[in-house]
Amino acid sequence: AQSVSQHNHHVILSEAASLELGCNYSYGGTVNLFWYVQYPGQHLQLLLKYFSGDPLVKGIKGFEAEFIKSKFSFNLRKPSVQWSDTAEYFCAVKLPYSSASKIIFGSGTRLSIRP
Amino acid sequence: DGGITQSPKYLFRKEGQNVTLSCEQNLNHDAMYWYRQDPGQGLRLIYYSQIVNDFQKGDIAEGYSVSREKKESFPLTVTSAQKNPTAFYLCASSVGLQDEQFFGPGTRLTVL
Repeated sequence: AQSVSQHNHHVILSEAASLELGCNYSYGGTVNLFWYVQYPGQHLQLLLKYFSGDPLVKGIKGFEAEFIKSKFSFNLRKPSVQWSDTAEYFCAVKLPYSSASKIIFGSGTRLSIRP
Repeated sequence: DGGITQSPKYLFRKEGQNVTLSCEQNLNHDAMYWYRQDPGQGLRLIYYSQIVNDFQKGDIAEGYSVSREKKESFPLTVTSAQKNPTAFYLCASSVGLQDEQFFGPGTRLTVL
């Protein structure tokens, strides 16, 4: 069965540190990839997505992610985090042109930023 | 403002009672979804609807029911058959099944 793994459950960083959150998926075919963020008390919202083309995807708020097909990975990065990046981050994988039940979310990574 | 509303934000029910969670969207989206979010487990799909008067089971549909009588509305009923109903429930919508999903603020249900 397809799955999405986010190995870091809780990451704690100081402001200005660099961030990389891991996301690996288990499916050999074409996939659509997403990162969602849930700020405290707010809606889940889309950070960035990859459907095709350039594997380095730019998102909102200075985030980017790189799709590495050979590693089945879609890691999220930010060169310098801010206190306002404190949130929970979810990676999601969708098999294109399949039913909605094939959207699979990772278990999430809680990011805490020390001011 | 366009968006998705879920009400109420917090809901308490006694064990054995059915409860219905509301989800309304004014984004003119065709597709709507219900997810359950549990600590350490991410989001799991309960039901989804591609179009009015049509809906499909997701990965964990047992103990839940839905209806889609209007494009804007996709209520979820948590029945007494759901063995572990206490959770955070998220509603989402998208233009179509292949498009990005927009999420509501969620309803936290506690069954006592």
